[in-house]
Amino acid sequence: QVQIQQWGAGLLKPSETLSLTCGVSDESFSHFYWNWIRQPPGKGLEWIAEIYYSGRTNYNPSLKSRVSISVDMSRKQLSLKLTSVTAADTAVYYCARGGGKSVERFDFWGQGTLVTVSS
Amino acid sequence: SYELTQPPSVSVSPGQTARITCSGDALSNLYGYWYQQKPGQAPVMIIYKDNKRSSGIPERFSGSSSGTTVTLTISGVQAEDEADYYCQSADTRHTSYSVIFGGGTKLTVL
Repeated sequence: QVQIQQWGAGLLKPSETLSLTCGVSDESFSHFYWNWIRQPPGKGLEWIAEIYYSGRTNYNPSLKSRVSISVDMSRKQLSLKLTSVTAADTAVYYCARGGGKSVERFDFWGQGTLVTVSS
Repeated sequence: SYELTQPPSVSVSPGQTARITCSGDALSNLYGYWYQQKPGQAPVMIIYKDNKRSSGIPERFSGSSSGTTVTLTISGVQAEDEADYYCQSADTRHTSYSVIFGGGTKLTVL
């Protein structure tokens, strides 16, 4: 069973940089794409980005200018950075395992991290 | 359009059949996926590749596809099925791919 643990700062001020990391217990880490997805309070899911162990990435076009995603194969960790946050970035952020190909399904999810942006 | 459209809400009585549709051009040539999300929990994938049930998901959940629409059917709805349901596919029109989600459907069991 794949386990995903997430951590990072939960309270930010406007203009700061959001930084989250997730660690994965999955022997097949390098066989899958890994993703960040967010959900504003009371709203739907929004995909942020995906990364493959090789470093290949895809980003949501609406967030691409502010998002950076990276992977540390040796630690089986992936990280998310979102710059210049505003209140609109307040959301629960999820780390999720994708498929063996780009932009497929999400079969394992982290517990989610609530990030609140407030002055 | 490369959006996925779902009804905001569906209501059924226990034991009845609930059907939730998801429509969008992407579904004409790409698979649809379905997630169930209960309050305070992460989403759970219940259907993948249009009609394949994920491991451990009850048989009353099924998926189907026709043209640009995928449908999630819950036969013999139970109170525990009350949740938000999201469909998902992808936009692969450009060199940079992206994932798209439907807006979600709240299933209420009366």
